[in-house]
Amino acid sequence: GQQVMQIPQYQHVQEGEDFTTYCNSSTTLSNIQWYKQRPGGHPVFLIQLVKSGEVKKQKRLTFQFGEAKKNSSLHITATQTTDVGTYFCAGPLWGSSNTGKLIFGQGTTLQVKP
Amino acid sequence: DSGVTQTPKHLITATGQRVTLRCSPRSGDLSVYWYQQSLDQGLQFLIQYYNGEERAKGNILERFSAQQFPDLHSELNLSSLELGDSALYFCASSVGDPRSTGELFFGEGSRLTVL
Repeated sequence: GQQVMQIPQYQHVQEGEDFTTYCNSSTTLSNIQWYKQRPGGHPVFLIQLVKSGEVKKQKRLTFQFGEAKKNSSLHITATQTTDVGTYFCAGPLWGSSNTGKLIFGQGTTLQVKP
Repeated sequence: DSGVTQTPKHLITATGQRVTLRCSPRSGDLSVYWYQQSLDQGLQFLIQYYNGEERAKGNILERFSAQQFPDLHSELNLSSLELGDSALYFCASSVGDPRSTGELFFGEGSRLTVL
């Protein structure tokens, strides 16, 4: 079945260093979403990418959707302690009923040392 | 505050018991999703409802069932509980129909501990 894989599972960085998490799907995705879950919190939507090769920026965060729409990445420039949390990518799996259930990757947990 | 309400926030019960988790979606959202998050695990999709009808099923055990009521709130029933069912159960809602896979708004979750 369709899988959405994320690497790395964990990343420890010094404050000010950059961070990147990668997401790969076994099938072509119609879109991909990114969520952030702070420790003890719930996932919060960050962004959705739809177009092949799309790049979107949110302040220090840069999101990319691959040309083949099978991979995506999230890059954080100059990490801050507020960036701590787990970052999930999620892609829709389309069933026979044309219903898209959102499948999440395993997440990348970012720790930032001040 | 996402606008999605889940109760209870915490629940401790014994093996073999049955519990019901409740979710009220954001006002106007017709789709409700249930996800299970075990310790250090990702979000496992369980089931999705749209306007009262089941639309998609994931890795939901036969001991688990769910439904969405006419007022759009949803309940997840977990029976014959086992230790391995201990997890954080999230409900999420979205504004669009299931074909759009728009942004999900998550509740704060119900943490279930089975002893």
